[in-house]
Amino acid sequence: EVQLVESGGGLVKPGGSLRLSCAASGFTLSSHSMNWVRQAPGKGLEWVSSISSSTGYIYYADSLKGRFTMSSDNAKNSLYLQMNSLRAEDTAVYYCARAFLLYGSGPPAFDYWGQGTLVTVSS
Amino acid sequence: DIQMTQSPSSLSASVGDRITITCRASQSIRSYVNWYQQKPGKAPKLLIYAASRLQSGVPSRFSGSGSGTDFTLTISSLQPEDFATYYCQQSYSTQYTFGQGTKLEIK
Repeated sequence: EVQLVESGGGLVKPGGSLRLSCAASGFTLSSHSMNWVRQAPGKGLEWVSSISSSTGYIYYADSLKGRFTMSSDNAKNSLYLQMNSLRAEDTAVYYCARAFLLYGSGPPAFDYWGQGTLVTVSS
Repeated sequence: DIQMTQSPSSLSASVGDRITITCRASQSIRSYVNWYQQKPGKAPKLLIYAASRLQSGVPSRFSGSGSGTDFTLTISSLQPEDFATYYCQQSYSTQYTFGQGTKLEIK
């Protein structure tokens, strides 16, 4: 059974840092493109970043301006999101999501999601 | 970046109704649109990918159509469990933007 379990959320002061983790089971992380998506309280979904399984290239939302870094550890089958210089507007539930690619190499759709971890940025 | 605009933002309907949600892209994105359903406090669930392909396990009352810039999600006969928020997402560019969501409420 595919499972994604996020952890590492919590309360952090503006300007602080936090590292989120996403532990994957039931599939091999390196075989799938993986993603982070966030949702501010009462708001819609916002794509944050993706790592391509085929190229290893990592994409980020332009709005993040280099503050976030996505990485993975294939030995631990885990995904990470390092968040620096946090702002109040980064307050959100952060989801990791697996993507499958149409025809194995085409555009992605996010087929499995974790339950999310809440990040609150406040003084 | 490609903007995705959904309409309406909210919708009231009754069990058994047929409803349609529209998503418009700011430029042509071929058929690279996905649709998700989200219930309060839960993670999103993939319903439709590549504009019209039904994800495994999703009831056939859900359907999607469109290409280019205009896309629709249709629920043919609303069931009580369908009242939720729906999001479109473009997967044409690597800024995988979502629409702002459509909240479907019981009339």
